[in-house]
Amino acid sequence: SQQGEEDPQALSIQEGENATMNCSYKTSINNLQWYRQNSGRGLVHLILIRSNEREKHSGRLRVTLDTSKKSSSLLITASRAADTASYFCATVLRGGSNYKLTFGKGTLLTVNP
Amino acid sequence: GAGVSQSPSNKVTEKGKDVELRCDPISGHTALYWYRQSLGQGLEFLIYFQGNSAPDKSGLPSDRFSAERTGGSVSTLTIQRTQQEDSAVYLCASSRRPRGQVGGNEQFFGPGTRLTVL
Repeated sequence: SQQGEEDPQALSIQEGENATMNCSYKTSINNLQWYRQNSGRGLVHLILIRSNEREKHSGRLRVTLDTSKKSSSLLITASRAADTASYFCATVLRGGSNYKLTFGKGTLLTVNP
Repeated sequence: GAGVSQSPSNKVTEKGKDVELRCDPISGHTALYWYRQSLGQGLEFLIYFQGNSAPDKSGLPSDRFSAERTGGSVSTLTIQRTQQEDSAVYLCASSRRPRGQVGGNEQFFGPGTRLTVL
């Protein structure tokens, strides 16, 4: 079964709005990563947050991690049409192999111009 | 610099035939991964290579699937006697050696090979 589950499955917003995607997972993790996939650039790593971190920023991206709730959120501010893509969370499980990423099924984000 | 490359980009084959998918990782990356992505699904881990260590094959779905990595660089994923359920996009990724438990491993993905088994 999937370790990470993204919510919502699909999200449609207007350019300039913020987009928030959530990820829940079942077992303890060492770190959680967010990836983006679109037809033009394939699957691209966006940001990594460690289990001892609560929030990270990278440009227009903000990621939070709540290990007590086993959840993470990805916020994209001031969205652009080019942000249209599928977004996946992936976890490295605590006590497991430090290389193995377990991906969720993704959130499909559509940013309308 | 050059990213991860995969070939072919598309492969259509008949049920029962064997196929080989190739991956060229980023130069200097010692870790190489294969994933499978079925329509509308996340990525399913298949196999992991790290340097000269024995690969982690725990994600291979059946003994029809095998992979090798020659000279610590190029990797080939082979699927024997293909079945229709093997139809998917096969993605290869590479990274530097994963650091400890918390450090993580940013993986760089190739464009994938879309396999269609008729």
